[in-house]
This record gives sequence, structure tokens and C-alpha cells, in this order.
Amino acid sequence: QVQLVESGGGLVKPGGSVRLSCAASGITLSDYYVSWIRQAPGKGLEWLSYISSSGKTIKYADSVKGRFTISRDNAQNSVYLQMNSLRDEDTAVYFCARDRPVTHDGRYFDYWGQGTLVTVS
Amino acid sequence: DIQMTQSPSSLSASVGDRVTITCRASQRIYNYLNWYQQKPGKAPKLLIYGVSNLHSGVPSRFSGSGSETDFTLTIGSLQPDDSATYFCQQSYSFPTFGQGSRVEI
Repeated sequence: QVQLVESGGGLVKPGGSVRLSCAASGITLSDYYVSWIRQAPGKGLEWLSYISSSGKTIKYADSVKGRFTISRDNAQNSVYLQMNSLRDEDTAVYFCARDRPVTHDGRYFDYWGQGTLVTVS
Repeated sequence: DIQMTQSPSSLSASVGDRVTITCRASQRIYNYLNWYQQKPGKAPKLLIYGVSNLHSGVPSRFSGSGSETDFTLTIGSLQPDDSATYFCQQSYSFPTFGQGSRVEI
């Protein structure tokens, strides 16, 4: 059974930093692309970033480019999201998801973690 | 960015009803359209990818159709467990999601 588990969320002050982790069980995460997606309270879903299986290809949404950094440690079967210069509007539940590319940048997400809440205040 | 617009934003229906949710893209996305179901406090779950392909384990009462810019998610016979918010998502370019359609039983 595929399971993704995020951790690292919490309360952080504006301008602060936090590092989220996404650990996998039931799959070898290193075989797959992984994306981070967030959902502000009561709002819709926003894709943030993806990383290829090797870690060589990385893309970001404009809203987080230059502030967030995605990385992975395939030996640990984990993916990370380093979030710097946090703003009030970054308050959200952050999900990691297994990413299935279908075009150069297009993808869908077939398994998601339960999410971790980051509150910037 | 490709904008995705869903309608209705919410609906109420009875068990056994046929329910339809529509999703419109701001430009052609061909068959790169996916649907997710999200229950309160839970992660979204993939229902349908590539317009009409059911993800593993998804009941056959869910179906999808459409092409180019206009797409539909249909629940053939609404069940109590289908109470949730449904999101469409385009996978033609950098992913964007619709705003969601809440289905109440």
C-alpha cells in the first residue's frame, strides 16, 4: 500500500523558515517524480514544485520561486521542501504527492500524503 | 497559467441521483484533465485521469468525459460516501486546479 507522510509543519513567524519532509512507504520513492501542493484554509489547491526521480529536474510555481527549495534524498526515500522568507499568505496545509508526468510540465497526482499545516503568524 | 472554472460551486442531491459537475479550461488542454475527490480534513484522492480513465479502486459510478476545453465528471448513482468536494486539474502544462464543487447528500 502506497503511503506518503509529511512532517515538519508548525507555527512560524513571518520572514522565518521551515523544512517539510515527505517520507514514503510501500513504494520506492526514488523511482518517481514528487510534487508539493498546498491548500490555504478553506481554499483551493495550488501546485508549488516538482522534482524528478534523479533530482536533476526541478520546477517551481512563480509564487514560491526564489523562496522555496525542493530536494530529495533517495537513500532515505524522502523528499523535502525548504521554505524561506515565509509570508502570511503561505499559511496552508502542504501536501506531497506522487507525480505522474504526462507532458513536459503537465502532470497529475495519484497518491497524496495527509498533509502538514504551516501557519505563518 | 491555464485557468480552470468549475460549476456549480456546490450542489445538494439525493442518494441515487445522477450528478454532473463541469469544468472549463481557459485554453485547449486536449485530454489532459483529471478529477479529485476531497473530504474534510483529508488529502485529495485521484478519481479520474486523462479525462475518462478511472484510477485504481475508484467505483464505476464515477465517469468523465469531454475534450479541448469542456469536461464533465458524472456520478451515476450518488451514494452517501460521495459527499465531498471535487476538483478538476489540468495536466497540459504547469498544474492548475478548479476552485472545487461541493456535493452534499
